[in-house]
Amino acid sequence: DTGVSQDPRHKITKRGQNVTFRCDPISEHNRLYWYRQTLGQGPEFLTYFQNEAQLEKSRLLSDRFSAERPKGSFSTLEIQRTEQGDSAMYLCASSRYPNAGTGGGSELFFGEGSRLTVL
Amino acid sequence: SQQGEEDPQALSIQEGENATMNCSYKTSINNLQWYRQNSGRGLVHLILIRSNEREKHSGRLRVTLDTSKKSSSLLITASRAADTASYFCATRTGANSKLTFGKGITLSVRP
Repeated sequence: DTGVSQDPRHKITKRGQNVTFRCDPISEHNRLYWYRQTLGQGPEFLTYFQNEAQLEKSRLLSDRFSAERPKGSFSTLEIQRTEQGDSAMYLCASSRYPNAGTGGGSELFFGEGSRLTVL
Repeated sequence: SQQGEEDPQALSIQEGENATMNCSYKTSINNLQWYRQNSGRGLVHLILIRSNEREKHSGRLRVTLDTSKKSSSLLITASRAADTASYFCATRTGANSKLTFGKGITLSVRP
């Protein structure tokens, strides 16, 4: 499978525990994005990388959230001291930038998501 | 914050009918994209339209963009039960900026 893969697909944890999600993008894609989605809402931007550099981080992201992309390939998203409000689907997406067709940003390829439930 | 706002929030139609979904946005854009999401799954890209384009087609999909009204519409012709999903518009304000999604439209196609 050459698509974006995320692991784990489901995670149930108790409040206060730390959780880590992993994303493996499409191999030739240099950009990697993290989004969060709650029921009935659209994906909400968290952060994105170009290669190993984290270019933007949402102000909505508290200091309990950290993301890395150490070698410009896979990425991890860690949530420390989880709260019930962190329960959501965490989506990873990748893209190639710049895109030959648009000259700028292009479409995103999403993984199936990691669903977090905080009890 | 969510830049795009889709309308209606929910749409229910009979198989074979056309489905029209609208998206309005607030600031100037570089491009606008539509995505589809089946329940519990990731999003799938459908179509991208650039700010200097007015209309684009892809199979049964037709997208229009009116930058003066800051709005876009997605038309799905001859709908099928398999088109049942949530549809999101997403905008990029600059060539280098992130993609910002709306809240989505839930489309139900009755067989």
